[in-house]
Amino acid sequence: EADIYQTPRYLVIGTGKKITLECSQTMGHDKMYWYQQDPGMELHLIHYSYGVNSTEKGDLSSESTVSRIRTEHFPLTLESARPSHTSQYLCASSALTGLNYGYTFGSGTRLTVV
Amino acid sequence: EDQVTQSPEALRLQEGESSSLNCSYTVSGLRGLFWYRQDPGKGPEFLFTLYSAGEEKEKERLKATLTKKESFLHITAPKPEDSATYLCAAIIQGAQKLVFGQGTRLTINP
Repeated sequence: EADIYQTPRYLVIGTGKKITLECSQTMGHDKMYWYQQDPGMELHLIHYSYGVNSTEKGDLSSESTVSRIRTEHFPLTLESARPSHTSQYLCASSALTGLNYGYTFGSGTRLTVV
Repeated sequence: EDQVTQSPEALRLQEGESSSLNCSYTVSGLRGLFWYRQDPGKGPEFLFTLYSAGEEKEKERLKATLTKKESFLHITAPKPEDSATYLCAAIIQGAQKLVFGQGTRLTINP
């Protein structure tokens, strides 16, 4: 049973629209991440957060923005969607302390911008 | 630069044909090595964490091992339902982010 939820699962949207991809987790994890993954390709980290009011850009440059106002919620926003934003977006979370740094992933949002 | 490289990119096996997937890493101080399974259109699913050279972990037909330079995911007598992309990732000392390899796409033919 997934403890991290992403909505929507699929989204087709027109160029120039503003969109927000939702990610929520019920595990009380401090750390949350957004990855972008094109079909058959590797995961690229685009944003991460180590706690409330903490957000950082990842290794892959992205035009998206994130916020972390509540521990359980880490939404990603695209102010003006473009076809180049078409991809799968994966949200993940992990505990801040301890040796087990394994991530729990959501099911992803597959975004298509037409 | 910290890097994780997986081979082969794709592997096609017959049902029951055992094999191994490789994950080599060049990181400055490994804190943990992770294996995930990813089905098409879904998020990665956690399989194993390995922390030190010589460590092994097993789950059903899968066994993960770790050396100082690489990790192997051994699959014994695979079934078609084992078909998926297998990802490995490393977390290094002082960092709190996973570095992922590009994955191995495994197909098991009945």
